[in-house]
Amino acid sequence: DTEVTQTPKHLVMGMTNKKSLKCEQHMGHRAMYWYKQKAKKPPELMFVYSYEKLSINESVPSRFSPECPNSSLLNLHLHALQPEDSALYLCASNQERGTAANYGYTFGSGTRLTVV
Amino acid sequence: QKEVEQDPGPLSVPEGAIVSLNCTYSNSAFQYFMWYRQYSRKGPELLMYTYSSGNKEDGRFTAQVDKSSKYISLFIRDSQPSDSATYLCAMRTTSGTYKYIFGTGTRLKVLA
Repeated sequence: DTEVTQTPKHLVMGMTNKKSLKCEQHMGHRAMYWYKQKAKKPPELMFVYSYEKLSINESVPSRFSPECPNSSLLNLHLHALQPEDSALYLCASNQERGTAANYGYTFGSGTRLTVV
Repeated sequence: QKEVEQDPGPLSVPEGAIVSLNCTYSNSAFQYFMWYRQYSRKGPELLMYTYSSGNKEDGRFTAQVDKSSKYISLFIRDSQPSDSATYLCAMRTTSGTYKYIFGTGTRLKVLA
């Protein structure tokens, strides 16, 4: 299995809703990431988990709450979002050791989030 | 000055052309260099990776790194309409950070 699976693919939520994005990988990768991508922009790093521990938070607002229940799963809990948070949310993973190839990301297809 | 600069395009070429995509960077400590391809409404896909300097070839794709000029390139030979996508360069240091710096992406359109 060489994929990162993200669910749901599309999500529309109101500003008072609580929702969660889910990401799963079974490649044994030790690092997992959340990125946010706006249209025609590069991905922006939000969070990094290494060995299931949060190692980087890029000053993301608290209305985004990450969780790593185990080495294969990564969640992003959403609460009280704003319309400007509408974007493609990408999950990625990599091995972070060994040959150069292991440092590249495997990205999921993303969750397209619309906040209304 | 941005850490990584990439011409956003769009770049339109006829089918069969050789395409050259480029990024410049300012941080001489960058050692990992990646190229990602992103189709519309999809996640990026790792296309090529290089550690430090030199060339790497994979099929129709060649990645080059010139650390003295702080310049990386991706060449696509015999371009196909299916190569139409946005190409993102990304790079990082070898220190403990997991953070890649992405270029803005170049939109490529290969015309049949």
